[in-house]
This record gives sequence, structure tokens and C-alpha cells, in this order.
Amino acid sequence: DQQVKQNSPSLSVQEGRISILNCDYTNSMFDYFLWYKKYPAEGPTFLISISSIKDKNEDGRFTVFLNKSAKHLSLHIVPSQPGDSAVYFCAAKESYGGSQGNLIFGKGTKLSVKP
Amino acid sequence: EAGVAQSPRYKIIEKRQSVAFWCNPISGHATLYWYQQILGQGPKLLIQFQNNGVVDDSQLPKDRFSAERLKGVDSTLKIQPAKLEDSAVYLCASSFISSPLHFGNGTRLTVT
Repeated sequence: DQQVKQNSPSLSVQEGRISILNCDYTNSMFDYFLWYKKYPAEGPTFLISISSIKDKNEDGRFTVFLNKSAKHLSLHIVPSQPGDSAVYFCAAKESYGGSQGNLIFGKGTKLSVKP
Repeated sequence: EAGVAQSPRYKIIEKRQSVAFWCNPISGHATLYWYQQILGQGPKLLIQFQNNGVVDDSQLPKDRFSAERLKGVDSTLKIQPAKLEDSAVYLCASSFISSPLHFGNGTRLTVT
């Protein structure tokens, strides 16, 4: 049973427009959420995170929104750039801080940004 | 800073053979993780070390997988004997206290 779901395997966006990647979770004990970005033949790299005490976290072009009642989070990239083309993984864990090893990952969404 | 180093990058073996992967974490990172990423899936934690002690190995198939972290630095993950379903990318990651995980580029294992 998947606890973190990314229902869109792929997304294509025009350069300069907004990219919205979605993630749903089922475990109400999750209280810390992260997005990782992965290029081919490389390991995932940390992008942005949010704790359950917030509903929004922004870092430059990247913003993560958390809707706890809906168990839903989204990553917004504005404006999208061709270099953003990658696979984006949503991940969640049950405890804030401390070790983050018990991350549960979604299957990923492949974003393609067209010039 | 130097990233997480993993070797080899690729490995092809036949089923029932054994294989070992090596990881060198970022200097100073006490926590080291091994993840398995099957094609089309997200990474799944196999084992987590804090220094040279195991914190979580609940998802490690212990009948065939083993891992060790000597002297709290480098780590090796071994599979013996390998099965077809072990074909995956094996990712090593490290972290410092509560920092985000830093992943290596992984080892792609193909079992034929």
C-alpha cells in the first residue's frame, strides 16, 4: 500500500510558465515533507521541504504548499526553465528533525520543460 | 565539499552470484543509508547506520542482503545470492544530524 502517491508520471510545461507537481499521502502521522530532484544517472538532490506546522514554504522559484486536511502537497516552479527538466520525488516522514532516513518516497513525476 | 562516492557505477551479474557495493559518505556525516530504487519506483530504505551501529534494517532482506560500516565511515552492501528481482539502482546517502540526505550517484545492478 503506497503511503505517498504521485499520480502523474509525467508533466510537460512550456518554458516560463508555471509547473505544478502534486503529491498525496495517506499516513496522517507524516509531519515533514520533502521534494527531491533527480537527473538521469545521478542521485536525488534535495530541493525544498516543509513541516506540518506550515502551509507554505518558498525558496526562490520553488514553493511547496501543504494542505493537511486533504493530505496533499504540491510543488510550484515559477518560472519553469529547461534546466528544471528532471524527475521530482515527493517524500514524507513521521518525525521532524533528527534522522531523515525513514523517508517514504513517491514514484516520481518526470517534468519536461520545453524551450 | 566532496559528495557521496559510490562504486561501481554499473554491475551485471547472473542470478545466484554475489555482488558488493561500496560507499564513502561525506566527511563528518555520521548517518549513512542504503536505498534500493527499482525502475519506476521511488527509493526504498534498506538500512540506516548511525556511526557504525545499525539504526534501522527492518526492510533489509537479511537472508540475502548484508551491510556493514567499518569504523563509522565507509560502508559496503552485499547481496548473496542475487535474484532477478534485485535488479535496481542502489543508492547510498549520508546526512549530518537533521540535515537533508545527500545521495550518491548510485550503482545500477542488472541480474540476468
